[in-house]
Amino acid sequence: DGGITQSPKYLFRKEGQNVTLSCEQNLNHDAMYWYRQDPGQGLRLIYYSQIVNDFQKGDIAEGYSVSREKKESFPLTVTSAQKNPTAFYLCASIRDHSSNQPQHFGDGTRLSIL
Amino acid sequence: AQSVSQHNHHVILSEAASLELGCNYSYGGTVNLFWYVQYPGQHLQLLLKYFSGDPLVKGIKGFEAEFIKSKFSFNLRKPSVQWSDTAEYFCAVNPKAAGNKLTFGGGTRVLVKP
Repeated sequence: DGGITQSPKYLFRKEGQNVTLSCEQNLNHDAMYWYRQDPGQGLRLIYYSQIVNDFQKGDIAEGYSVSREKKESFPLTVTSAQKNPTAFYLCASIRDHSSNQPQHFGDGTRLSIL
Repeated sequence: AQSVSQHNHHVILSEAASLELGCNYSYGGTVNLFWYVQYPGQHLQLLLKYFSGDPLVKGIKGFEAEFIKSKFSFNLRKPSVQWSDTAEYFCAVNPKAAGNKLTFGGGTRVLVKP
């Protein structure tokens, strides 16, 4: 079945460490997105990529980095510069960033700071 | 920047009661509008969407939403809820000129008592 796979489901990090969240899709979608979900704040866009080797900052990019070396993969690194990294992280994709179609979402990764 | 407001953070109601969740957005141009639902332990799923045409949109599971342009609103309704409608509901907006960059509301947690 086609879909978006995020791993791991739960992730724990010590303060000061960088950590990378995985997002893989086999939907042949060009565009991919990373959101952060906090209680009462909905989802906020961190980074997005319209096509391979391209990515752009979203609304809350500080303390995060991404890469898009392959069409199916869009890993998110939470760096030590992110002051409040504990959150639920969601990856999404869509065939074409300029289309009107709704985004498909993965199951998410819950990141906690030890 | 646009914003999306969902007025109710928590809603508790009994089975067979009617549900209405408010959503207002601030953006002067043309928009695409979405309602997503997140059932406990599941990923975010599209409930319904509005791109153009009839402002009354019907979605899955008996939900509908009405786009009122003059009020910048896109309220979600269901005439008679079931226990299985217990979930968190998110309204999302993307300006047509901005590609597929979604702005989400803060979400409304709905608890339906059996």
